[in-house]
Amino acid sequence: QSALTQPRSVSGSPGQSVTISCTGTSSDVGGYNYVSWYQHHPGKAPKVMIYEVSKRPSGVPDRFSGSKSGNTASLTISGLQAEDEADYYCCSYAGSYTVVFGGGTKLTVL
Amino acid sequence: EVQLLESGGDLVQPGGSLRLSCAASGFTFSNYAMSWVRQAPGKGLEWVSSISGSGGSTYYTDSVKGRFTISRDNSKNTVYLQMNSLRAEDTAVYYCAKDISSNSFFPYYGMDVWGQGTTVSVSS
Repeated sequence: QSALTQPRSVSGSPGQSVTISCTGTSSDVGGYNYVSWYQHHPGKAPKVMIYEVSKRPSGVPDRFSGSKSGNTASLTISGLQAEDEADYYCCSYAGSYTVVFGGGTKLTVL
Repeated sequence: EVQLLESGGDLVQPGGSLRLSCAASGFTFSNYAMSWVRQAPGKGLEWVSSISGSGGSTYYTDSVKGRFTISRDNSKNTVYLQMNSLRAEDTAVYYCAKDISSNSFFPYYGMDVWGQGTTVSVSS
């Protein structure tokens, strides 16, 4: 149950787009279409932004999109806004009724 | 409004025990698997345990197997995490989370509602 690999930090200016990668293995990200992404502002409850690789829960802006290729999933945020600044975590089903998270990526809006 | 409210976090000595509770409201509790996820200081999120809607199936990450027990009382809309033989590395904020799907016994697809967390500190 090794953590998925995410960049420690990414940054972008308001209005730009950023992509956060999440690399696993064929036993987790690559083996199932069960990748979700969470936005976490410190001290608050995490919020799901994407589930099942690319589905958006109601209320999540369409500026947020998800995709997957092989063992790597990606979260893209377009039209960056100041309120998007947060920590982002990917998560995948890892088989044998286990779940694994990524190490987290700090998004800074410049 | 769908809500989860955790409680029970405390400062406890190594080897001690603690029971966390998570009270749910605003949805049909028994229809959803529930999970506990933790975040150690300065670290990322870590899945700890999940339980099916009926309570008949439970799942754990390797590091807590044999020490932690997840359970639920559907009559009280509450899920619990009994933590025994606590270690310093169990120090974390513990979040309760609801399965995004009502049709599975495990949160394969994701978790759509999270509580604010309760803090567990294990130290002498």
